[in-house]
Amino acid sequence: GAVVSQHPSWVICKSGTSVKIECRSLDFQATTMFWYRQFPKQSLMLMATSNEGSKATYEQGVEKDKFLINHASLTLSTLTVTSAHPEDSSFYICSAPPGQGLGQPQHFGDGTRLSIL
Amino acid sequence: AQSVAQPEDQVNVAEGNPLTVKCTYSVSGNPYLFWYVQYPNRGLQFLLKYITGDNLVKGSYGFEAEFNKSQTSFHLKKPSALVSDSALYFCAVRDENSGGYQKVTFGTGTKLQVIP
Repeated sequence: GAVVSQHPSWVICKSGTSVKIECRSLDFQATTMFWYRQFPKQSLMLMATSNEGSKATYEQGVEKDKFLINHASLTLSTLTVTSAHPEDSSFYICSAPPGQGLGQPQHFGDGTRLSIL
Repeated sequence: AQSVAQPEDQVNVAEGNPLTVKCTYSVSGNPYLFWYVQYPNRGLQFLLKYITGDNLVKGSYGFEAEFNKSQTSFHLKKPSALVSDSALYFCAVRDENSGGYQKVTFGTGTKLQVIP
């Protein structure tokens, strides 16, 4: 149980394109989802917290207008990288806890490898 | 504030030998501690957690971790390493004083290399 599905797994596109990444909780409802960015051989950098039915909470230094987050339902959050440039190339991962308690582990999608040419 | 440290970027161990991946944490209240494993080009997989109770926690794939409050540590261990255990391991912490907010803080990761 507690499966998180992330699509697409790999995207290659031209500079200036906008790219949408979907994160779905398949067998549980997620009022909160998290979006991370991971650089090669580095840890996860939390970008933002996606809240169902309300605005996302962005971490310091993350451009809200660049990384648009929408959490329109209890099972779907999307991250749109607008006007992507080569420096946006990275591995993006979403996660969701399957419950409200602080002891709930997060369940992760398999990530999206974004390559901007 | 909550923080977690993984002092080793990489750990090498021979197959069949015991392994330890170190993690220390800092919180203002009681900690919720987690270990995750990441294989190449994949998301993170949950291994085990400590919330309360026994200091030795058993998890998936034969891994276990020992919570040590006095040393603020939560080291990951396995009695006998397998080549298939080679991966990137992340320790994570959440402070009980985080106000119900579920954001966790991840360590920088430790690459485990099991040598045949």
